Amino acid sequence: DGGITQSPKYLFRKEGQNVTLSCEQNLNHDAMYWYRQDPGQGLRLIYYSQIVNDFQKGDIAEGYSVSREKKESFPLTVTSAQKNPTAFYLCASTTPGQGIDTQYFGPGTRLTVL
Amino acid sequence: KQEVTQIPAALSVPEGENLVLNCSFTDSAIYNLQWFRQDPGKGLTSLLLIQSSQREQTSGRLNASLDKSSGRSTLYIAASQPGDSATYLCAVKNFGNEKLTFGTGTRLTIIP
Repeated sequence: DGGITQSPKYLFRKEGQNVTLSCEQNLNHDAMYWYRQDPGQGLRLIYYSQIVNDFQKGDIAEGYSVSREKKESFPLTVTSAQKNPTAFYLCASTTPGQGIDTQYFGPGTRLTVL
Repeated sequence: KQEVTQIPAALSVPEGENLVLNCSFTDSAIYNLQWFRQDPGKGLTSLLLIQSSQREQTSGRLNASLDKSSGRSTLYIAASQPGDSATYLCAVKNFGNEKLTFGTGTRLTIIP
């Protein structure tokens, strides 16, 4: 089955720790995205990548880092510099520029800081 | 800067009723608009995508319309069912921008 997987589903972080959230897709999509969702707020874009080995900051990139070494994978690292990381993190992918560029989302990772 | 608003934040209706969810946006130079569904603790599922040149899209009991001049879109759900209970989000993509701008969503509850 084609789709996007995120792991883990739940993640707990202690103060001062870096943690990495996994996102993998087998849809052969070129572009991948990371969003953060907080209660009562819309999704906010953290980082996005339109091609392997290239990525751009979104609206709230501070305290986060990404890599795009493979087309299928776009891991997100939440660093200790992110002061309020407790949130629901969503990964998405699409192939833009082909008229129908629906974004497909993974099931999400809920990160909690202890 | 594009801003997307969805009002109301929550809506409860009896089963079987037809209903309309609203989405408004400030910049009419959009490339497309999408409606998504999100169940609690889950990811988003795309329901309908309307290109800027289109007026509406239909899928089953769902119909989405787009009026760029007024900066509005509506999602019409016919003959609502308890399984339609979820949060519905709209998102806009502008020309020359790979990012989506999301509204905060409308939490819909269908009462059996």
